[in-house]
Amino acid sequence: QSALTQPASVSGSPGQSITISCTGTSSDVGTFNYVSWYQQHPGKGPKLVISDVTNRPSGISNRFSGSKSGNTASLTISGLQAGDEADYYCSSYTASSPVVFGGGTKLTVL
Amino acid sequence: EVRLVESGGALVQPGGSLRLSCAVSGVCFSCSWMYWVRHAPGKGLVWVSYIKTDGISTGYADSVKGRFTISRDNAENTLFLQMTSLRAEDTAVYYCARISNRGWQIDYWGQGTLVTVSS
Repeated sequence: QSALTQPASVSGSPGQSITISCTGTSSDVGTFNYVSWYQQHPGKGPKLVISDVTNRPSGISNRFSGSKSGNTASLTISGLQAGDEADYYCSSYTASSPVVFGGGTKLTVL
Repeated sequence: EVRLVESGGALVQPGGSLRLSCAVSGVCFSCSWMYWVRHAPGKGLVWVSYIKTDGISTGYADSVKGRFTISRDNAENTLFLQMTSLRAEDTAVYYCARISNRGWQIDYWGQGTLVTVSS
């Protein structure tokens, strides 16, 4: 069982917005603003799309945004495109180990 | 362009050993802390080990402590993971990843190498 809880799957139609949640505890997501989100296409390594809860690295579309409330972080993708179909993972710094990850969410673009 | 390229994954019998390598380019490797992270079938990502720039400061997940050893060659821009006493539960795709300078977050990942432990 993963330390952070994500929904197994989400889906949306092109042009719509979706949100993926990532629920932790007061020992990780709730206390530290070191939450990241990664996109992984089949056969490829993960790619950073959000760091520090809300920060978008250079080259990442502004359709990707992050937020946090209490022990839950969220990734929102607006204006869904076919290329957004991928697995998404969250991670957080934690008081007891360097990093913990979510179990991953499969995004399907209908 | 930043590239992390893992190699060394293979099919190995339980109790066997394997050495993974990760060649890093496009970024200052000697300035970078590094992780090994694994992804077992049907499970989430799990950090396995980390190493700081000096090559001496290291950490291991409890599940691999005493069996795996992380090391680095800053002259060759290469990260290693020596795995011994391998078990079926070590079967996974192993990724090397660069730790950013903020809160142990990862900014770059490799494409992964598959380790299968089976008789």
